Amino acid sequence: QSALTQPPSASGSPGQSVTISCTGTSGDVGGYNYVSWYQHYPGKAPKLIIFEVTHRPSGVPDRFSASKSGNTASLTVSGLQAEDEADYYCTSSAGSHQPVLFGGGTKLTVL
Amino acid sequence: EVQLLDSGGGLVQPGGSLRLSCAASGFNFRGTAMSWVRQAPGKGLEWVSIVHAGGGTNCADSVEGRFTGSRDDSKNTLNLQMNSLRAEDTAIYYCAKHGPWGGFPIDYWGQGTLVTVSS
Repeated sequence: QSALTQPPSASGSPGQSVTISCTGTSGDVGGYNYVSWYQHYPGKAPKLIIFEVTHRPSGVPDRFSASKSGNTASLTVSGLQAEDEADYYCTSSAGSHQPVLFGGGTKLTVL
Repeated sequence: EVQLLDSGGGLVQPGGSLRLSCAASGFNFRGTAMSWVRQAPGKGLEWVSIVHAGGGTNCADSVEGRFTGSRDDSKNTLNLQMNSLRAEDTAIYYCAKHGPWGGFPIDYWGQGTLVTVSS
């Protein structure tokens, strides 16, 4: 199973919005409403920020939102803040043999 | 509070073996699926192995036949036995807990333990 496709980098200025895409296939992103997103600071444990395509865990700011259309999921970070600078990964279930399929990751830079 | 404490990493020669452990607390370990995820230097996250509640396992094609995940519910411990290690297995290995929602996404991660495969 190939990794989900994410752009390697994204950037925006403080206060702006940025959207990160995550493209898979009908066997993963398109076939299940099980897309999750993670925020990862180097050297730290990743943090779940979105599950089941659009849901935020308790404590995650509503500046983080997400959606899905067909085989592509998207994460939008609104009102960019310096602390949002991190790596972001999407995941999807791809069936019982591949319960967790990661995207390649996107490095978000706040200019 | 959920806590996952990874341990067991270190330097090992190619072809060697290593056993990672993860001590879990703060949740119903017995009823929760657990995974190992790794990140090679300069690379992204890669799922390695899952151990379901009840003990059933799956692993990534890249480690199939070499790595085996297991759990000891009496000790709230997750393990990863890694054999026939290769240079490309060099990575930070994270213990991870699956959440209760659809698709059982990972909702908590350990801090990671570094495995270096080198002669």
